[in-house]
Amino acid sequence: DIQMTQSPSSLSASVGDRVTITCRASQSISSYLNWYQQKPGKAPKLLIYAASSLQSGVPSRFSGSGSGTDFTLTISSLQPEDFATYYCQQSYSTPVFTFGPGTKVDIK
Amino acid sequence: EVQLVESGGGLVQPGRSLRLSCTASGFTFGDYAMSWVRQAPGKGLEWVGFIRSKAYGGTTEYAASVKGRFTISRDDSKSIAYLQMNSLKTEDTAVYYCTRDRYDILTGDAFDIWGQGTMVTVSS
Repeated sequence: DIQMTQSPSSLSASVGDRVTITCRASQSISSYLNWYQQKPGKAPKLLIYAASSLQSGVPSRFSGSGSGTDFTLTISSLQPEDFATYYCQQSYSTPVFTFGPGTKVDIK
Repeated sequence: EVQLVESGGGLVQPGRSLRLSCTASGFTFGDYAMSWVRQAPGKGLEWVGFIRSKAYGGTTEYAASVKGRFTISRDDSKSIAYLQMNSLKTEDTAVYYCTRDRYDILTGDAFDIWGQGTMVTVSS
């Protein structure tokens, strides 16, 4: 099974900061990597699919990059509504869709 | 409005059964694969299982942790997906989410629509 790791597990940042979260797969997953945002008590929301494609309606300050085993999610200028937990997910070894453990972004 | 609404959660004793429903609206339900994802209290996301659209055979796949105990089905005429959970264990306690799979041959699978979730508590 493909294992997903994320770093850091948590970070503190200020409004306006550039934030980068890393996701690593235990083997190559090509570009089959998705990113989700989850706020407390809410369902996750798809932000990025296929490593770098922005989901409709998601602000352009979110971007994704990477292929193979290493991926990043970047928030170019952190906004108050971006404080949340972010999960990566591989969709290479379908139909087993493994999620990463999550990265919590909170206010510094 | 595109929407998924889960129902059927609650408190159940270990070893018993529960069936969750996911009612879809605002899109052609039968055109999409559907997955169930769960989240134990304070924990991360865990994919539970998946049912393909009829166009892809309507077949199902499950995570190892629930295989043989959980069954996913669908009724396209009613736009409902079901998660039948048997032989429940305390470790099945979680919020269960229904999700739509926006599969594309070039970009693969991604869960673009999520329900609000329904809580299942397995406890004696």
